[in-house]
Amino acid sequence: GDSVTQMEGPVTLSEEAFLTINCTYTATGYPSLFWYVQYPGEGLQLLLKATKADDKGSNKGFEATYRKETTSFHLEKGSVQVSDSAVYFCALSDRGGSEKLVFGKGTKLTVNP
Amino acid sequence: GAVVSQHPSWVICKSGTSVKIECRSLDFQATTMFWYRQFPKKSLMLMATSNEGSKATYEQGVEKDKFLINHASLTLSTLTVTSAHPEDSSFYICSADWTPGGTGELFFGEGSRLTVL
Repeated sequence: GDSVTQMEGPVTLSEEAFLTINCTYTATGYPSLFWYVQYPGEGLQLLLKATKADDKGSNKGFEATYRKETTSFHLEKGSVQVSDSAVYFCALSDRGGSEKLVFGKGTKLTVNP
Repeated sequence: GAVVSQHPSWVICKSGTSVKIECRSLDFQATTMFWYRQFPKKSLMLMATSNEGSKATYEQGVEKDKFLINHASLTLSTLTVTSAHPEDSSFYICSADWTPGGTGELFFGEGSRLTVL
């Protein structure tokens, strides 16, 4: 079945450091790929998404490119801030939209001032 | 963005009792709601999909009689854990979608942590 594997955490960075959180997937067909973020005490929020190969999703300085050849969707940000501290989830859906998301385990990011 | 609220955010109960968790969409009508379960250091696992006015569709391996889901209105879905046991202790999360069939963006609740003694 479909699955998502993402980088084990926790990840601790200093402010303005470069962030990469790796995510790879296994799916039949051509899934849509998502990154969700969960800030402390809040529900998951969609951060960005890509629906086809070579698409780049971006939001709030974060980017991820849908790489079909490597089945990856790595999350990157050039300069993290303390406010980026959260848990990040990579997810896929083979239904086109957000239906029946399959999530990775989540990666906790802590950014220190 | 749209707001989905869960209640209670945490609950402790004795083994054998039943616990109800509510999921409400506060500023939109949710035709489809999803219930997830998250174990420590594990990914969110989809338990069931509920559509307003119809029976929930459960994922393989999820006990229908154990986890009762009701979606009686367009703004409320409830998950009842019946005869709870310690192995039911977990973090339960709901999400809601305003598009029929759940094909749009999902909005998630804050989660409800259940501890069964």
